[in-house]
Amino acid sequence: QSALTQPASVSGSPGQSITISCTGTNSDVGGYKYVSWYQQHPGKAPKVMIYDVTNRPSGVSNRFSGSKSGNTASLTISGLQAEDEADYYCSSYTSISTLVFGGGTKLTVL
Amino acid sequence: EVQVLESGGGLVQPGGSLRLSCAASGFTFRNYAMSWVRQAPGKGLEWVSGISGSGGTTYYADSVKGRFTLSRDNSKNTLYLQINSLRAEDTAVYYCARTSVVSPGSLDYWGQGTLVTVSS
Repeated sequence: QSALTQPASVSGSPGQSITISCTGTNSDVGGYKYVSWYQQHPGKAPKVMIYDVTNRPSGVSNRFSGSKSGNTASLTISGLQAEDEADYYCSSYTSISTLVFGGGTKLTVL
Repeated sequence: EVQVLESGGGLVQPGGSLRLSCAASGFTFRNYAMSWVRQAPGKGLEWVSGISGSGGTTYYADSVKGRFTLSRDNSKNTLYLQINSLRAEDTAVYYCARTSVVSPGSLDYWGQGTLVTVSS
């Protein structure tokens, strides 16, 4: 169960858009629609921002969107705001009914 | 309001054991699969274990298989994680999380975590 691959860090200025990638295998990201994205602020519990590749839970801003192509999923945040600065993690359901997370990406809003 | 509250963390010596609990409220506990996710200091999230709503099926990450045992008592709305043969690399904040009823890949409610420190 190798961790999914994410960039260690991304940055953007307020108002800009950024995209975070998440690469797995045919046994996880590529094999299922069950990719989620979580936001974690320092010292806080993670919060789900996207589930099933593209779906936003109630209350999550529509500035957050998700997509997937093959074994790579992506999270896009448009209209960056200071409050978006956080760590972001992708996760996927796997072929052995477990979950696997990515290594996390630190988003800096310049 | 949905709530999950972890307890049972603390300082334990290498080779020791600990039982973590997760008390759930605000939803019909037996209808939901649950998971534990841990985060070592300054590191990323690691899924540890999951259990079906009935408790009849459990899943474990390779890193903890054989040492961790996940169970639940649906009459008490409580999840338990028995951790044996603790190692320094088990030091982490352990989060209890509810699996979304609409997606097996999504953890929709998380507790605030309980810290486990393995050190002599």
